[in-house]
Amino acid sequence: DTGVSQDPRHKITKRGQNVTFRCDPISEHNRLYWYRQTLGQGPEFLTYFQNEAQLEKSRLLSDRFSAERPKGSFSTLEIQRTEQGDSAMYLCASSPGAEAFFGQGTRLTVV
Amino acid sequence: GEDVEQSLFLSVREGDSSVINCTYTDSSSTYLYWYKQEPGAGLQLLTYIFSNMDMKQDQRLTVLLNKKDKHLSLRIADTQTGDSAIYFCAESFGSGTYKYIFGTGTRLKVLA
Repeated sequence: DTGVSQDPRHKITKRGQNVTFRCDPISEHNRLYWYRQTLGQGPEFLTYFQNEAQLEKSRLLSDRFSAERPKGSFSTLEIQRTEQGDSAMYLCASSPGAEAFFGQGTRLTVV
Repeated sequence: GEDVEQSLFLSVREGDSSVINCTYTDSSSTYLYWYKQEPGAGLQLLTYIFSNMDMKQDQRLTVLLNKKDKHLSLRIADTQTGDSAIYFCAESFGSGTYKYIFGTGTRLKVLA
């Protein structure tokens, strides 16, 4: 297993467009997280899945954001009607328990 | 509330020890972590400590936890140029989400 995989690594989109990111966690990790990281800051929690159930969402996750984890394997994060303020690195992590392992992230630039 | 603070920068000479400090406000954290992030990359888990431990050593890394002062530190012995990166402290809570709260990161620069 090569670790947590995220696709794409970079995405440039025009304001108002929709974007979707994919995360493939480490096999058999039942916990999956999405975080957002802006320049010069630490990652901020967005949402958490245990298997296919989305159990917690941050207030940062506005109505334009939606995340899914069908069948409890890979996850997608969709942002609708992107805004310039959405520009950030979106990080996915998976975990079997206390330790979380992060992917390389998807860097989103909204122009 | 939950808040994790770190100093922004640290510069050391190659071969010296580095000590990166972190303070947190919520004493109910279950685990505390140190992650390393190199430019343009994701976060690499370095080590973590259960909140009822005082110290953990792992090769060149030593973690010290002072629960009374809510202070966590990471000591890197024999610091190398490859250790130059941003180091994040994080805490997680309880047996549920294990949601992580991260600090703002400390940029470590190792001078040859």
